[in-house]
Order: sequence, then C-alpha cells, then structure tokens
Amino acid sequence: EDKVVQSPLSLVVHEGDTVTLNCSYEVTNFRSLLWYKQEKKAPTFLFMLTSSGIEKKSGRLSSILDKKELFSILNITATQTGDSAVYLCAVPPNAGGTSYGKLTFGQGTILTVHP
Amino acid sequence: EPEVTQTPSHQVTQMGQEVILRCVPISNHLYFYWYRQILGQKVEFLVSFYNNEISEKSEIFDDQFSVERPDGSNFTLKIRSTKLEDSAMYFCASRPPSGSPLHFGNGTRLTVT
Repeated sequence: EDKVVQSPLSLVVHEGDTVTLNCSYEVTNFRSLLWYKQEKKAPTFLFMLTSSGIEKKSGRLSSILDKKELFSILNITATQTGDSAVYLCAVPPNAGGTSYGKLTFGQGTILTVHP
Repeated sequence: EPEVTQTPSHQVTQMGQEVILRCVPISNHLYFYWYRQILGQKVEFLVSFYNNEISEKSEIFDDQFSVERPDGSNFTLKIRSTKLEDSAMYFCASRPPSGSPLHFGNGTRLTVT
C-alpha cells in the first residue's frame, strides 16, 4: 500500500519568512509526486515532479524531488498571508488510465502566515 | 480557465436519507473521480469512472454509494442511506487523457444529522 507522510503537520510563521515543507513517500514503482495547495475548498495543483534533483519553480514557490531518499520538499520564500493554506503532497500508482488519478495523499501541512 | 464545478456547496440531510452530489467536469476530460475528506483527516479516493463505468473503487465505496454520468456533462455521486459518518467534504475531480494532474472541484460539504 502506498504511503505519504508530511511534516511538519502545522507551521506558523510571519510574513517574509522562508518555509520548507517535507513529504516522504513509499510507493511501489514510483511514477510522480504532486503538490497541491488547499485553501478551504478545492486542492489546486502546484507541481508535478518526476525526476530527482530537478527543481520546479513558480514565483516564490519551488519544489525538488529526491528519489533515492524518497522525499520531496516544497519551499516558499518571502511568505505572504495569502500563502496560508494546507499544502498537500500526493502520489499516483504506477499505472495509466483511470488508475493514474487514484492519488494517495499525505495528511497535509497547515501553514499559517501572520502579518 | 475551465474548472470543475460542484453543486450544492453545502448539503444538510438527516440520517437514512438519500443525497445526490453533482459535478460538471471539465469538458474535454475523460477520467472522473470522487474523493472525500472527513474533517481533520486525509483526502481519500472513493471511485474512478471512465467510459461510462466504474474503473476502480476503494473499500469506502460500498453498496450505499453509486456514481452515474447521466448525460454528456454531469457526473453524480449518490449516497443511498446516509449515515453520520458520511459527513465529509466530497470532491469531484477530472483529468484529460494524458498523464496530467487532477483538477478538483470546490467540493460539497455534506452534513448528516
């Protein structure tokens, strides 16, 4: 059974701080790892990572994957109050078709950014 | 940008009643899913649907649950006889044929009293 563990479970910072969120996984035949941001409603897609060591970047957010050590990190620099959300890490099974959307989620990291 | 839409946003029902949660996936997507998130817990897979039939279902998706795509746009989740423990946020999701990530709807918060 695939397993995803995120840490920390919650994090409180002030605007301008840099945060690092962790996701470790155990998957039979790894295919990809996804990061989502959940602000009270729909999880919205941030990154999909498939290769080790290649950083994905979008504005102040970046993410990298280590397939040897089986983890990924999500970095947010110069945090803003709008970054307050639950950050979810998820992995699909190594299968195509509909199975690819059968994600196993971690429990999420609750990030709170104070002004 | 096209999005997955779900209605209603909040549904309150009494134990034992039937509820239907509705979703309109993104129009060119072919794979459809329902997930649920009990308050304070992980997002959990319920069921996947492709080509007008269920592809996979989890242990949670027992006989009280059913899904349907009654026309070319809607995708519904029916819970036949709701229980208190069915109270959760239910998310619909869809994706195109390629290995692209899932797009989630805003969810329906189901409260069973």
